[in-house]
Amino acid sequence: GQQVMQIPQYQHVQEGEDFTTYCNSSTTLSNIQWYKQRPGGHPVFLIQLVKSGEVKKQKRLTFQFGEAKKNSSLHITATQTTDVGTYFCARGASKIIFGSGTRLSIRP
Amino acid sequence: EAGVAQSPRYKIIEKRQSVAFWCNPISGHATLYWYQQILGQGPKLLIQFQNNGVVDDSQLPKDRFSAERLKGVDSTLKIQPAKLEDSAVYLCASSLGFEVDEKLFFGSGTQLSVL
Repeated sequence: GQQVMQIPQYQHVQEGEDFTTYCNSSTTLSNIQWYKQRPGGHPVFLIQLVKSGEVKKQKRLTFQFGEAKKNSSLHITATQTTDVGTYFCARGASKIIFGSGTRLSIRP
Repeated sequence: EAGVAQSPRYKIIEKRQSVAFWCNPISGHATLYWYQQILGQGPKLLIQFQNNGVVDDSQLPKDRFSAERLKGVDSTLKIQPAKLEDSAVYLCASSLGFEVDEKLFFGSGTQLSVL
């Protein structure tokens, strides 16, 4: 169907370690968006990927869109306590459908 | 720039009662969305408006949920009668629209508890 699957569901890391979350679809995606939701907050847009094989960076965050446009990943280098939250991917094109999210917690 | 405004912030009702949520999107945003987010899950799209027309309401439980966007600006989401499983955060989001910019801006949400 139109769902996007995210793994892992939870990730607990030591501060300074890297973190990666994956988003997979059974169908080709027109685009993929990534959002971050802090505990008790609302989702905040991070980035949108449109092109096959696209890679975008925002400081310590690296976003990739697969060559087949069926998967995407978000990688955080050297996590900090400010990175705590749930990261969602969302498929776009006329309506925005969210994945189940990956909750990141960090040990100081 | 003002963000997406939602009210109330919290609401506690008993099952079978009715409740309404209000949303004022960012000025100029043509597309408005209502999402339901159950604790620990991703936001689930309930209904999407383009200006004052419904684009998608396939996941809206129409026997109890209704929504409108009069004049293509503000929107209200109503639940009548509420069930225990309706306990969730109801998020409103807006965007410039498909083919323009699909980036969603969310309001702070309304946390609904049905007892």
